[in-house]
Amino acid sequence: QKEVEQDPGPLSVPEGAIVSLNCTYSNSAFQYFMWYRQYSRKGPELLMYTYSSGNKEDGRFTAQVDKSSKYISLFIRDSQPSDSATYLCAMSAYYGQNFVFGPGTRLSVLP
Amino acid sequence: GAVVSQHPSRVICKSGTSVKIECRSLDFQATTMFWYRQFPKKSLMLMATSNEGSKATYEQGVEKDKFLINHASLTLSTLTVTSAHPEDSSFYICSAREKASGRAYEQYFGPGTRLTVT
Repeated sequence: QKEVEQDPGPLSVPEGAIVSLNCTYSNSAFQYFMWYRQYSRKGPELLMYTYSSGNKEDGRFTAQVDKSSKYISLFIRDSQPSDSATYLCAMSAYYGQNFVFGPGTRLSVLP
Repeated sequence: GAVVSQHPSRVICKSGTSVKIECRSLDFQATTMFWYRQFPKKSLMLMATSNEGSKATYEQGVEKDKFLINHASLTLSTLTVTSAHPEDSSFYICSAREKASGRAYEQYFGPGTRLTVT
């Protein structure tokens, strides 16, 4: 079993749809959780980060962490074609530890 | 926000030559810099971690003599691919962790360097 798993997609949705992106993980020690967005041939950019369990909202984006299920989600409301990218989850167990990345989910938002 | 630059963005070199890629944190001091490799439609593969002024820590399977990493200052790290071969062709991405306390778990990525070895 891989340490972090993510549905690779591609996931295609119509503009305006609510998108749910998910990662599961096996290491119960993880407590820092990040979501990155990567456009084609570009470096990843940090979208959201959360510590431990709970929800965090930033504009159209909401990150959820369920540590009991070892499951994290990123929700995108009112999706736009500009949201078309690969979304990577990343996590670490303690301050300063290297991140473990998921393989990424390719999202296409169709106009 | 924190900005990380990479230079060059794209490089083509002949087999057997060496290529140097620079990674700079433009508006913050980076305690740690990371080098990743990414194949098409694949996730990031961590190659090595470097702290300013000390030797890099390489991930298992990464040849330290082939991928030379130097982290000379809190704003600059370099990756040199020595004696490049076509199989070294890839997208290389660096990232930097900010020194400021309370945010050290965030990593900021550079735009990547596309290396093609002919």
